[in-house]
Amino acid sequence: EADIYQTPRYLVIGTGKKITLECSQTMGHDKMYWYQQDPGMELHLIHYSYGVNSTEKGDLSSESTVSRIRTEHFPLTLESARPSHTSQYLCASSDNDGLATDTQYFGPGTRLTVL
Amino acid sequence: KNQVEQSPQSLIILEGKNCTLQCNYTVSPFSNLRWYKQDTGRGPVSLTIMTFSENTKSNGRYTATLDADTKQSSLHITASQLSDSASYICVVSDRGSTLGRLYFGRGTQLTVWP
Repeated sequence: EADIYQTPRYLVIGTGKKITLECSQTMGHDKMYWYQQDPGMELHLIHYSYGVNSTEKGDLSSESTVSRIRTEHFPLTLESARPSHTSQYLCASSDNDGLATDTQYFGPGTRLTVL
Repeated sequence: KNQVEQSPQSLIILEGKNCTLQCNYTVSPFSNLRWYKQDTGRGPVSLTIMTFSENTKSNGRYTATLDADTKQSSLHITASQLSDSASYICVVSDRGSTLGRLYFGRGTQLTVWP
């Protein structure tokens, strides 16, 4: 069982609200990721970080922002939520060991619904 | 275009039966291929990982195969259990961990009936 946590697990909010999805891991992993997943669809990378003070945008354009002030914490923020942001958000981490087979460990996800 | 295609999209089997899920990819260069299991409402959990030189990998009742020449992989589940009901996702990496990008399939939704 991976030691990576996400809160809240479910969130229903109104349009225009600012929200922050929390992700934390206790494995000391350098690399962390945020994915967006719609039902029956593949995961899309929206943000990633290779360490403290390192953040990059992923393949899927997203209006969200992230920060990495501490190794274990990688929060994602939406300044003004819209119904198009309704989705499942998955956080993951992996060890930057330089091997070709590093495995990403996923959190349980946050199901976001914007009304 | 780098892609990962999985089939079937969904599958229903009876408890105790075997099944095989397919994954075809066009990702190049190729570094490794993973199979993940994702229970409903949960994050994916890694089942197996294979590099270019490996053509089979087992994890309990799960056995993955890889044919790097034809760019195909399969996940065989033996003696299915109700707890096997989940989405199984094929993920291909195009390089080593530091620079590699992951390409995700859409998954096969497996339902095991009693």
